Amino acid sequence: KQEVTQIPAALSVPEGENLVLNCSFTDSAIYNLQWFRQDPGKGLTSLLLIQSSQREQTSGRLNASLDKSSGRSTLYIAASQPGDSATYLCAVKSTGTASKLTFGTGTRLQVTL
Amino acid sequence: DVKVTQSSRYLVKRTGEKVFLECVQDMDHENMFWYRQDPGLGLRLIYFSYDVKMKEKGDIPEGYSVSREKKERFSLILESASTNQTSMYLCASSSGGGNIQYFGAGTRLSVL
Repeated sequence: KQEVTQIPAALSVPEGENLVLNCSFTDSAIYNLQWFRQDPGKGLTSLLLIQSSQREQTSGRLNASLDKSSGRSTLYIAASQPGDSATYLCAVKSTGTASKLTFGTGTRLQVTL
Repeated sequence: DVKVTQSSRYLVKRTGEKVFLECVQDMDHENMFWYRQDPGLGLRLIYFSYDVKMKEKGDIPEGYSVSREKKERFSLILESASTNQTSMYLCASSSGGGNIQYFGAGTRLSVL
């Protein structure tokens, strides 16, 4: 059974810092991995999707990498801003599981002024 | 832009009531999902549907049922609400297999 872990559970950084969020998964037989953002009391917004054949994806100040063999993904946020404060979740779609995603419990990020 | 709309943002129900949570998507997506989100447990899949009138159990289907009579609408039903079903419920949709899931804003359900 796939398990997804995100450490740390919470992170506080000053504005302007570059930061890395971590996601690990136990079964390397994945189809893709997604990073989501969730603002308090709201739904999830998809940030990046990496297919299993890809090593990384970029969108603006965000860069996500994938290392299937080691069961890890990272989300790099450059030049953090207070508006980046949110909970970031990663989710894995394993092969042979239709469209099911397995989610991590998230990292709550606070970017301070 | 894809829009996934959940009928209620907040809902308060009494134990034993039958509860309907509605979700509508406007992008002709084949797949629709219902999750619940609880602190420390993350998102857990309750049910999903990959076509009209088709449904599959997720990881925690007990106490829930679903209905998908039309492609754009996916309903979650709590037959007899219990206090342990107090949670945030999130609906999502996607096209094909393995594509990006688009989420609604969520329904925070309290069962008293």
